[in-house]
Amino acid sequence: DTGVSQDPRHKITKRGQNVTFRCDPISEHNRLYWYRQTLGQGPEFLTYFQNEAQLEKSRLLSDRFSAERPKGSFSTLEIQRTEQGDSAMYLCASSLRDRQETQYFGPGTRLLVL
Amino acid sequence: DQQVKQNSPSLSVQEGRISILNCDYTNSMFDYFLWYKKYPAEGPTFLISISSIKDKNEDGRFTVFLNKSAKHLSLHIVPSQPGDSAVYFCAGAKAAGNKLTFGGGTRVLVKP
Repeated sequence: DTGVSQDPRHKITKRGQNVTFRCDPISEHNRLYWYRQTLGQGPEFLTYFQNEAQLEKSRLLSDRFSAERPKGSFSTLEIQRTEQGDSAMYLCASSLRDRQETQYFGPGTRLLVL
Repeated sequence: DQQVKQNSPSLSVQEGRISILNCDYTNSMFDYFLWYKKYPAEGPTFLISISSIKDKNEDGRFTVFLNKSAKHLSLHIVPSQPGDSAVYFCAGAKAAGNKLTFGGGTRVLVKP
């Protein structure tokens, strides 16, 4: 049973560029979550999906951020017109239908915006 | 508003002794509480959880205690091992499967 995987693990981009991250949840996990973590802080919720439906979005998720989960499998998180304040670790997690109280996290994608 | 607070940013403990990590919350709607461990450059690893209808849950060396009246939970690790050195986060959720609200973390150092 492989865990949650994220790609890329690291991304360096220039301000104003668009970036896209991918998350593959654990097989058969129906819920998928995105969080963001900055240095010295705990992870902050961004959005989550149940299958392909996006159920909740945080007010942290500005209109430059968009997330999708086509076909209810992998998910992508896109940031348009990146800003230096977007530099953070972007974490993906998934949970199983019958044990939704436990979320399992991937290794994260570290984004640095120059 | 910080709904989950971990007031101790760091903790140092001798190998073999007990580590006690504390967490306070303000949101009385939380139904579940979870503890995660995080190593540098890795994602958080789930350790143990507790439902709000319980006051204790134990799993091996890890025990979580919940005091609803005080809106306080704690994680006990005994005996502490050098591999336990990491940052520990507590988190609350309003229902199973809902978003997690995390505290700021406590860095634990276990000295050999």
